[in-house]
Amino acid sequence: GAGVSQSPSNKVTEKGKDVELRCDPISGHTALYWYRQSLGQGLEFLIYFQGNSAPDKSGLPSDRFSAERTGGSVSTLTIQRTQQEDSAVYLCASSLRRAANTGELFFGEGSRLTVL
Amino acid sequence: AQSVTQPDIHITVSEGASLELRCNYSYGATPYLFWYVQSPGQGLQLLLKYFSGDTLVQGIKGFEAEFKRSQSSFNLRKPSVHWSDAAEYFCAVTQGSQGNLIFGKGTKLSVKP
Repeated sequence: GAGVSQSPSNKVTEKGKDVELRCDPISGHTALYWYRQSLGQGLEFLIYFQGNSAPDKSGLPSDRFSAERTGGSVSTLTIQRTQQEDSAVYLCASSLRRAANTGELFFGEGSRLTVL
Repeated sequence: AQSVTQPDIHITVSEGASLELRCNYSYGATPYLFWYVQSPGQGLQLLLKYFSGDTLVQGIKGFEAEFKRSQSSFNLRKPSVHWSDAAEYFCAVTQGSQGNLIFGKGTKLSVKP
């Protein structure tokens, strides 16, 4: 498809397990973002990739969270030793350039993570 | 630190009535401001954006927003709400030169018949 694709759409895991969430951005988009959406908390910025530059990791809540982007395309968000407070919808977005230039982020439908 | 405040968590309006959703930002320089909408079961979609120039910007679906520097506000308006406008609305601002967007906590809009 032409949009941002995320998988899995739903993931249920046990506390303490590791999870990987995948994002396939729109072809040609150089910027990729991960956000976390919890009930009543809006969208919390996690990490931002722009081309080949070092990612902006300032939003990652702890060292259990990490992300990589291979070949400037697909990205994987990894959460190690999951905790119940990690339960949320994880949203990926991509854009042609950084938000300040174009302002339009294209969002995927998210990966809903439930930690039991 | 830059931030975005949406004071109203949930608003209910009657179909056909006017709508105004509030957004206030905290930002040192001239901000770039955005409104996104998240309809049930769908991803977020850009409604409109303000970069510079005319402080009244028009967006999709009949929405508009006005940038008021003196009030640090970027309120979203629509003259006549349709039932299909029921959704959650997010205001956002860019954070410096980093490029990522900082979002507010959202306002959920319900529309009464």
